[in-house]
Amino acid sequence: NAGVTQTPKFQVLKTGQSMTLQCAQDMNHNSMYWYRQDPGMGLRLIYYSASEGTTDKGEVPNGYNVSRLNKREFSLRLESAAPSQTSVYFCASSEKRTGPTEAFFGQGTRLTVV
Amino acid sequence: GNSVTQMEGPVTLSEEAFLTINCTYTATGYPSLFWYVQYPGEGLQLLLKATKADDKGSNKGFEATYRKETTSFHLEKGSVQVSDSAVYFCALRTSNTGKLIFGQGTTLQVKP
Repeated sequence: NAGVTQTPKFQVLKTGQSMTLQCAQDMNHNSMYWYRQDPGMGLRLIYYSASEGTTDKGEVPNGYNVSRLNKREFSLRLESAAPSQTSVYFCASSEKRTGPTEAFFGQGTRLTVV
Repeated sequence: GNSVTQMEGPVTLSEEAFLTINCTYTATGYPSLFWYVQYPGEGLQLLLKATKADDKGSNKGFEATYRKETTSFHLEKGSVQVSDSAVYFCALRTSNTGKLIFGQGTTLQVKP
């Protein structure tokens, strides 16, 4: 049982390059999330998708776009990477949109923009 | 808006000491509250949760009580072990939008 799978695990980009972070879950969950983790800042929500076909902005959406390709997959795109986007990115999913439903996390993608 | 505030870390304790990590929240409606733990190099894992006022979540010796009157959800453990060394995150899920919002995390280091 894979759970939440993120690819790649590590990436180095030059300023201005673009890339897409991939996330897939095999638990038939409805909701999916993208977070970034920075020292002293905790996890900050970038975008989330309450259900297939919907997406919404979180706390720090600028410089990112997302696509909920289907129920399993939720990708995060950086169109023109900046050093301020150096971070660890986590994807998560949960069965339900609200309530005490547990969120399951991937292992993270460590992105460095030089 | 909705937010979570945790006590500053790092917290350094000796093995078998009592642990408290403070967490307070601001939210509209009736959020669900969570504690997650992150071990080095890994993603987050759910530690415990609570859904309504006065609920107590517990797991692996950790406990937290949902206090609506003080908008708090403090994490406690009576006797910590070296293996409890990790980063602990308090979080809430809003009752209307379903957004899952985290605090800044508190690093716990337990020394033998």
